Amino acid sequence: GQNIDQPTEMTATEGAIVQINCTYQTSGFNGLFWYQQHAGEAPTFLSYNVLDGLEEKGRFSSFLSRSKGYSYLLLKELQMKDSASYLCAVRDGGQGFSFIFGKGTRLLVKP
Amino acid sequence: GAVVSQHPSRVICKSGTSVKIECRSLDFQATTMFWYRQFPKQSLMLMATSNEGSKATYEQGVEKDKFLINHASLTLSTLTVTSAHPEDSSFYICSARLNEQFFGPGTRLTVL
Repeated sequence: GQNIDQPTEMTATEGAIVQINCTYQTSGFNGLFWYQQHAGEAPTFLSYNVLDGLEEKGRFSSFLSRSKGYSYLLLKELQMKDSASYLCAVRDGGQGFSFIFGKGTRLLVKP
Repeated sequence: GAVVSQHPSRVICKSGTSVKIECRSLDFQATTMFWYRQFPKQSLMLMATSNEGSKATYEQGVEKDKFLINHASLTLSTLTVTSAHPEDSSFYICSARLNEQFFGPGTRLTVL
C-alpha cells in the first residue's frame, strides 16, 4: 500500500533548528517534495529530492535516503512566520505522476 | 516559478445548487492538472487527475457525476460541484504539473 508518515505536531523556539521527518512506502518513486502550507492557504513548494543526499536552499534543507524510504526537512534560524504545516509528498512513478501527500506536520514556532 | 490561478477564491452557495471552479495555468501549458480537496486540519486528498482532451481519472470514492471535470484547453481545467450539499464544504485546490506541482491559491466552498 501507499503510506507516508510524518509527525502530527512539533514545537520549536525562534532562532532554533528543527528537523521534520518523513518516512514513505509507495509502489513507485519519482521524487520527494516538501511543501509549506499556512492556514487557509494553498501549499507552496519548498524543496525536491530525487537522488540521495542533502539539498540546501537558504534556511531550508531537505535530505533523502531512498533505500530507507526516509526524508527530513531541516529549518534553520527559525522565524515566527515559519509556523505552518509542512507536507511531505512522494511522486509515484506511474503514468499519471500523481502525488501522494502525508498528513502534514504542524509546526509552532514560539518566541 | 510557474503560476496557477483559481477562481473564485471563495464561494457561498445554497444546498442543491452547482458551483464551478476554474483553474488556469498562466504562463505554461499543462496537459495534466490535479484537483484536491482539503478538510480542516487534514492533508490534501487527491480527487481526480484532469487530462487535456480526455476524461478525468477519479480517485476511489470520488463521485464522477457529482464532481464534473472538464479540461478543454492546455491552460484551463474546471471542476463543477453539482447539487452541492453542506458536506461538500471544503477547500478545493488545483495544481498543474511542470517538473513539479504548482498549486493554485485554492477555493473555499461553503454550502449552506
